[in-house]
Amino acid sequence: QKEVEQDPGPLSVPEGAIVSLNCTYSNSAFQYFMWYRQYSRKGPELLMYTYSSGNKEDGRFTAQVDKSSKYISLFIRDSQPSDSATYLCAMSANTPLVFGKGTRLSVIA
Amino acid sequence: NAGVTQTPKFRVLKTGQSMTLLCAQDMNHEYMYWYRQDPGMGLRLIHYSVGEGTTAKGEVPDGYNVSRLKKQNFLLGLESAAPSQTSVYFCASRGPMGLQPQHFGDGTRLSIL
Repeated sequence: QKEVEQDPGPLSVPEGAIVSLNCTYSNSAFQYFMWYRQYSRKGPELLMYTYSSGNKEDGRFTAQVDKSSKYISLFIRDSQPSDSATYLCAMSANTPLVFGKGTRLSVIA
Repeated sequence: NAGVTQTPKFRVLKTGQSMTLLCAQDMNHEYMYWYRQDPGMGLRLIHYSVGEGTTAKGEVPDGYNVSRLKKQNFLLGLESAAPSQTSVYFCASRGPMGLQPQHFGDGTRLSIL
């Protein structure tokens, strides 16, 4: 079993939809959780990060961490065509980040 | 702010040739990382450094060497390039505290013929 599992998609949604992106993990020591967004031919850029369990909201983005289920989510409200990108989850136990393989999202106008 | 800068952006090599990829950061970060990104494989850690003069192996270190002679620079070397090393290489850096996120460069696209 991979340490971090992420459905690669692709995921295609209409503009304005709510998008849910998810990762599961096996290492219970992970305590730092991050979401990165990567546009084509660019490096990943940090979108959200949280420590331990709970929710964090930033504008249209909400990150959730459920350590008991070893499950993290990223919700995007009112999705826009500019949100079309690959979304990578990443997590760490104060060690180098372990990344999911990324989910490719397309938001259709 | 420049952030993390990778040089070169593109390169084509022949099998057996050597080259060095340069990563420079201007954020005074302690930690620096080299990843490769391949279709269907995600980001895989090659080597990393927790400070000037230190290096450590990541998940896929074979065929690569690194050096961190200056805090702001992290070099990735391929001594004898192989077609399996065709990939997009990303450098990242971060500060010393646990929750500080990694900042990435825009990558080097390397093709080995």
